[in-house]
Amino acid sequence: DGGITQSPKYLFRKEGQNVTLSCEQNLNHDAMYWYRQDPGQGLRLIYYSQIVNDFQKGDIAEGYSVSREKKESFPLTVTSAQKNPTAFYLCASSTGATSGREQFFGPGTRLTVL
Amino acid sequence: QQQVKQSPQSLIVQKGGISIINCAYENTAFDYFPWYQQFPGKGPALLIAIRPDVSEKKEGRFTISFNKSAKQFSLHIMDSQPGDSATYFCAASDPDKGDKIIFGKGTRLHILP
Repeated sequence: DGGITQSPKYLFRKEGQNVTLSCEQNLNHDAMYWYRQDPGQGLRLIYYSQIVNDFQKGDIAEGYSVSREKKESFPLTVTSAQKNPTAFYLCASSTGATSGREQFFGPGTRLTVL
Repeated sequence: QQQVKQSPQSLIVQKGGISIINCAYENTAFDYFPWYQQFPGKGPALLIAIRPDVSEKKEGRFTISFNKSAKQFSLHIMDSQPGDSATYFCAASDPDKGDKIIFGKGTRLHILP
């Protein structure tokens, strides 16, 4: 079954700790994305990667970091510098071709900072 | 600056009624306008999408109406059902920016049984 997996589903972290959210896809997609979702705010882009070993900041990259060492994987680290990290985090992927455009989303990780 | 504005924030419709969600955009370079549906605790999924060379696209009970001159597009859900209760996001994409999609803030739709 092709798709995107995110783990864990729920994550709790103490203030001041870094935490890494996992995102894996087996759709053979070139592009991958991380979004943050807060109530009433829609989806805001944190980072995106259009090819392995390359990534760009989105609209709210401060306090986050990513890596793209493999095509299938795009982990997101929420650092202690992120002032308000409690949110629902969504990973997505797409073919990377302008003719396609559809983004496929994972089930999300809900991060709560205690 | 919010590039895609969506309204209303929330909507309550009787079962069997028509649900209408509206979006407006600023950037005339946008050439792809998808709608995503999201159920609580799940990731969004593509519902229907349109390109600006057509004024309407219909898939089952879901229709997108597109007005290029007004820079507006809307989602109509005919014969709304309780199972349609979800959050809906309109979005837009700029061909010069790869697959990046800009999302509206979402509409929480509740269909009364």
